[in-house]
Amino acid sequence: AQSVTQPDIHITVSEGASLELRCNYSYGATPYLFWYVQSPGQGLQLLLKYFSGDTLVQGIKGFEAEFKRSQSSFNLRKPSVHWSDAAEYFCAVMLTGANNLFFGTGTRLTVIP
Amino acid sequence: NAGVTQTPKFQVLKTGQSMTLQCAQDMNHEYMSWYRQDPGMGLRLIHYSVGAGITDQGEVPNGYNVSRSTTEDFPLRLLSAAPSQTSVYFCASSYSAGNGYTFGSGTRLTVV
Repeated sequence: AQSVTQPDIHITVSEGASLELRCNYSYGATPYLFWYVQSPGQGLQLLLKYFSGDTLVQGIKGFEAEFKRSQSSFNLRKPSVHWSDAAEYFCAVMLTGANNLFFGTGTRLTVIP
Repeated sequence: NAGVTQTPKFQVLKTGQSMTLQCAQDMNHEYMSWYRQDPGMGLRLIHYSVGAGITDQGEVPNGYNVSRSTTEDFPLRLLSAAPSQTSVYFCASSYSAGNGYTFGSGTRLTVV
């Protein structure tokens, strides 16, 4: 079955530590890949996206993500987390030729001082 | 530039009532979608539109109707509200399919 998996429901990191949020997808072909962030009570904001080309993608707020075709993964990373990064993060895919996003279940990030 | 505007922000309905959630965008985006967000389930697509006059069903369309008479507006109608429709609803729009969607701030709906 087609799916987007975010295996970590909740992650806690210390401020200044590095962060990696995992995302795996299961589709027949490589889809378009996205990461969104949602602060409490807010809508979703696009962090970055991957369509093709360089497999390391830079986004806003110092985030980056690496596409690995062999692992069907698109993990989000940040070298040094700030307290303001505490939020929920969603990985999403869009099948090529389609118009809509399919979301993972999200990973909630807590940042401790 | 307002982006995607959703109204109301909060709503409480009684079972069986109907209502319309409003969504408007001022970016001249052709693509618009409605999602619902439930704890532990991420966002699920309800209905979408690829342009004025064109709509289609998503993953969870039952109990909801949409129409798209203009590029700017994409209202979502609940025909007869049920407690299972308690959720946070998000409208989103995009210039093109692969461009990434801009989301509104959501409508929190409670059906009692």
